[in-house]
Amino acid sequence: GQNIDQPTEMTATEGAIVQINCTYQTSGFNGLFWYQQHAGEAPTFLSYNVLDGLEEKGRFSSFLSRSKGYSYLLLKELQMKDSASYLCAAEMDSNYQLIWGAGTKLIIKP
Amino acid sequence: DTGVSQDPRHKITKRGQNVTFRCDPISEHNRLYWYRQTLGQGPEFLTYFQNEAQLEKSRLLSDRFSAERPKGSFSTLEIQRTEQGDSAMYLCASSTRDSDYEQYFGPGTRLTVT
Repeated sequence: GQNIDQPTEMTATEGAIVQINCTYQTSGFNGLFWYQQHAGEAPTFLSYNVLDGLEEKGRFSSFLSRSKGYSYLLLKELQMKDSASYLCAAEMDSNYQLIWGAGTKLIIKP
Repeated sequence: DTGVSQDPRHKITKRGQNVTFRCDPISEHNRLYWYRQTLGQGPEFLTYFQNEAQLEKSRLLSDRFSAERPKGSFSTLEIQRTEQGDSAMYLCASSTRDSDYEQYFGPGTRLTVT
């Protein structure tokens, strides 16, 4: 079956670092997406990992381990505007269908 | 290009009525997706088009749901005989394999069935 797990909610302090984990089990796998979604808005793309390892993009980095079915999103120098839900999604072998996690609501405190 | 657009942004309808939503993807994108999202959940895949061909439809989707993309450009999603459980945000996204695989989402249509 298909399953993606991520924590429901996390709290962090402005200026700090937070890591949001995602584990997946799918019958086929191409890559792993991370999206950010502010309340009442559509998801916006953050990263896409196909190969194992860490990819850095400014304050955000994403890591993938295909053998472990595991990914994380690392957010550095947290800002209040980073308060949002962070969704991980696994791309199936079919190359078009994404299986989405329920999202991790990140709360940033001053 | 202003991105993916969806119309209407909000729709309130009575149970049993039919509703139709429209999605205009980014012009050069040949792939178009429909998702449904409820509060506190991730998007749930509904269907996918490559150009005008509907290549996949979720097994969770009942026969009351139908989608079209007649000319490979805009798409419509129709829900017949709406039920209260259909209340959700309906998201459209588009992409192209010529880019970095990113799906660009529209603002969504929020449906409330009373």
